[in-house]
Amino acid sequence: AQSVSQHNHHVILSEAASLELGCNYSYGGTVNLFWYVQYPGQHLQLLLKYFSGDPLVKGIKGFEAEFIKSKFSFNLRKPSVQWSDTAEYFCAVKRGFGGNNRLAFGKGNQVVVIP
Amino acid sequence: SAVISQKPSRDICQRGTSLTIQCQVDSQVTMMFWYRQQPGQSLTLIATANQGSEATYESGFVIDKFPISRPNLTFSTLTVSNMSPEDSSIYLCSADWNQETQYFGPGTRLLVL
Repeated sequence: AQSVSQHNHHVILSEAASLELGCNYSYGGTVNLFWYVQYPGQHLQLLLKYFSGDPLVKGIKGFEAEFIKSKFSFNLRKPSVQWSDTAEYFCAVKRGFGGNNRLAFGKGNQVVVIP
Repeated sequence: SAVISQKPSRDICQRGTSLTIQCQVDSQVTMMFWYRQQPGQSLTLIATANQGSEATYESGFVIDKFPISRPNLTFSTLTVSNMSPEDSSIYLCSADWNQETQYFGPGTRLLVL
């Protein structure tokens, strides 16, 4: 079964600090990779995604993620966080293209940014 | 951007009863999905609901417990049947318009007493 690992479930940091959230998945082959964010009281939103091409992808609100195929990783980063980045962040992986659209999610990272 | 709505947004139910959750999207889509997010856990796919065919359930989920309807290309329902406290969870629907990216509804928060 496909598996997505996110470590350090709870992250607390101060404004202007840098953030990096790790995501590792357990299987080879072609993958599509996603980071979703859920702000307090809001629904799950797409932050960024990787399908192919440049392994460094940029998303909304200054976030970026790097796909490292050899490490089966898709880590999320932001150089300087703001209080409004307080949210839960989920990594998700989809195998292949088209037909099989099943997404496997990690357990999420609860990020709290202290003003 | 896509608009996905769910009703109800939350509910408190007695054990043994059933609840039907509705999911409405603002434009036609072939693939819709239902997920469960239990307290402190990640999202787990319950089933894929494509219009015109039976829903495809993931391991650990069965049609008798979670019947799904998909009567047209903009609507789906998930019923949580014969509920127990273990069914307390957030239930989310999602839709995938281009077989690339899933967009999620706001979720239905269910508490079973």
